[in-house]
Order: sequence, then C-alpha cells, then structure tokens
Amino acid sequence: AQSVTQLGSHVSVSEGALVLLRCNYSSSVPPYLFWYVQYPNQGLQLLLKYTTGATLVKGINGFEAEFKKSETSFHLTKPSAHMSDAAEYFCAVRGSGGGFKTIFGAGTRLFVKA
Amino acid sequence: SAVISQKPSRDICQRGTSLTIQCQVDSQVTMMFWYRQQPGQSLTLIATANQGSEATYESGFVIDKFPISRPNLTFSTLTVSNMSPEDSSIYLCSVENRGRDEQYFGPGTRLTVT
Repeated sequence: AQSVTQLGSHVSVSEGALVLLRCNYSSSVPPYLFWYVQYPNQGLQLLLKYTTGATLVKGINGFEAEFKKSETSFHLTKPSAHMSDAAEYFCAVRGSGGGFKTIFGAGTRLFVKA
Repeated sequence: SAVISQKPSRDICQRGTSLTIQCQVDSQVTMMFWYRQQPGQSLTLIATANQGSEATYESGFVIDKFPISRPNLTFSTLTVSNMSPEDSSIYLCSVENRGRDEQYFGPGTRLTVT
C-alpha cells in the first residue's frame, strides 16, 4: 500500500526566499513520486516526477525535488520564490508497475509575501 | 501530453437533481479516472473507467450515485445523481500517459448544490 504525508498545510515565504515543501511517503514497492501544482480555479499541473534514475529531479518553473529513499522523503524546493508561485501543491505517490493507484497528499498552500 | 476538456466548467444545482459532467481527451487513452476534490481538501479517486467495461469504484462510492459511461477511448461522463449539498465539490477527470507513469488532469467542474 502507498500513502503520502505533506508536512504543513500552509507555508508562507517572502518573495525571493527559499521555498521548501515537505513530503514523506510510504510504499510497499519502489515508488513513483510526483509534485503537482493547482492554481486557483484550475486543474492540476505536473511540476515534476521521479520514476527511476537520478534522484534529484528538476521540474518546471525552477522547482526541483530529491528522492531520498533512506528518509522516505521527496521534498520540493525552489531557490527563490516568485509571487506567481502562490498556489496549492500536492505530493503524490504510486507504486511502480501496473495495478497501483496514485495517492495524493493533503496539499500545502504556498503564500508568497511581497 | 494529453489535453483534457470538461463540460460544464461550473454549475449550481438544486438538491435532488442530477448533473452529467463530460470529459473529452484529444488522444486515445486506455484508462480514465474521476476524482472529487471537496473544498480545501485533496483529491479522492471516485472510479476508474476503461472503455468497454464497467467502471471500478473506490470504497465509499457507488454506481447508483455516480454512474459513469465510457463509450470510446476519448470520452467519458460522470453523473452525480440525486445531489445533496455534500456533493458540492470540484470533479476532475484524469488520464494516464502511455508509460503509465504520469497523469494529466482536466480543468475540473466546480459543482455547487443548494
């Protein structure tokens, strides 16, 4: 079975500051891991994903995440926040291979202060 | 990637009525998914729809309440039947890519039941 926990339902940063959104997962098989972003009144957009290979994954809009198996974590970072990054962010996990569903975390709302 | 459209984008309905939500994809896909996102919450999978077979419902969701059609590889509908205010949510359609390691989401249908 898979599960995902996002630490912090709300995160507030100043414009230009580091963004760190935390995600821990559990999975009975090697996981696929995802970060999605949802802007107000829109659907979900994939920011980045980890399936296999390099553990540091770069995504769109300057975001990246690192898969740390020993810590069962997949934290999302961005060196410098922009006002346009204000949105809801969802971490998700699914088991590699067939027959697994994607499980979404509760979400973290990111606020960016001017 | 796949481009997904949903109709309607939003609706306000009276309790006891039904609403059918349409999902159209710009390419043929095997599996389509319907999610519910209640206000301020994460995504919950309602059902998985494969073309030519009955939809598979998750625990807590039943066909009588959420009948799904999947007449071909690019289209699906979800009906929310006998609505109550508790059905007020965003309903999202999603599809998988060929490699089954990524999902794409439609823009969602925002339903308010009064």
